[in-house]
Amino acid sequence: GNSVTQMEGPVTLSEEAFLTINCTYTATGYPSLFWYVQYPGEGLQLLLKATKADDKGSNKGFEATYRKETTSFHLEKGSVQVSDSAVYFCALSGGLNFNKFYFGSGTKLNVKP
Amino acid sequence: GAVVSQHPSWVICKSGTSVKIECRSLDFQATTMFWYRQFPKQSLMLMATSNEGSKATYEQGVEKDKFLINHASLTLSTLTVTSAHPEDSSFYICSARDEGDRGPRGQETQYFGPGTRLLVL
Repeated sequence: GNSVTQMEGPVTLSEEAFLTINCTYTATGYPSLFWYVQYPGEGLQLLLKATKADDKGSNKGFEATYRKETTSFHLEKGSVQVSDSAVYFCALSGGLNFNKFYFGSGTKLNVKP
Repeated sequence: GAVVSQHPSWVICKSGTSVKIECRSLDFQATTMFWYRQFPKQSLMLMATSNEGSKATYEQGVEKDKFLINHASLTLSTLTVTSAHPEDSSFYICSARDEGDRGPRGQETQYFGPGTRLLVL
C-alpha cells in the first residue's frame, strides 16, 4: 500500500543554516508528492508539489525533487529564517486511489536567531 | 492557490451537546471534501470523505453516527460532532479537492482549511 516516511524531529537550526528534511515514499502507480507546512494553531498550507518523476517543486526558497529511483522527495532550503519555524508534512496522492492522501508523521523545525 | 475556510475557528462546549463545523471552498467547486482529526504533535488522521449529494465514506474505526457529515452543495460540507464528550476534544481540519488542479495522470491536490479547535468540557 501507499505510505510516507519522513525524518523525525524536532530539527533545530540556527538562522541562515541549510535545511534538509528527508521524505521517502511507497506507492503503486504514479503519485503526486507534496510538502505542506503547518504554523502553530493553524491548518496546513500547501508549500510545494511535484506531479511526475524528476519534477522540482519550489516555493519561498524551499525546493524538493521527485526522485523515482530512490522514492524520495526531500525538502531543502539554503538559508532558513526564524519565520520558517513550523511543522512540515510530506504527503502523496494518486497511485491507485486518487481520493486519498497519505501523510508522513510531520517534522517540527525550530529556527533560532 | 485555492482557498478553503472553516467556521468556527474554535469552540468550547459542554459535554452532551452537538457541535457543527463548516468547511467551504471559496473560489472553486469541490465535489469531494475530506475531514481530518489531529491530536497534539501528531499527523493528520483521515476521518471521512465527504461527497456532494451522496453519503460520506468513513474510515475504519470512525463512528458515522457520532460524526455526521453533510455535503449539500459544491462549496459546503459540514461535520457535526453529536453528543460531544471530552475525548472528542481535538483539532479538526477539512480539505477540499480542486479537480481543476490535476497532475498528468489525474493526481489531485488538496487544499486545507485553517482548522477548528474543539474543547469539550
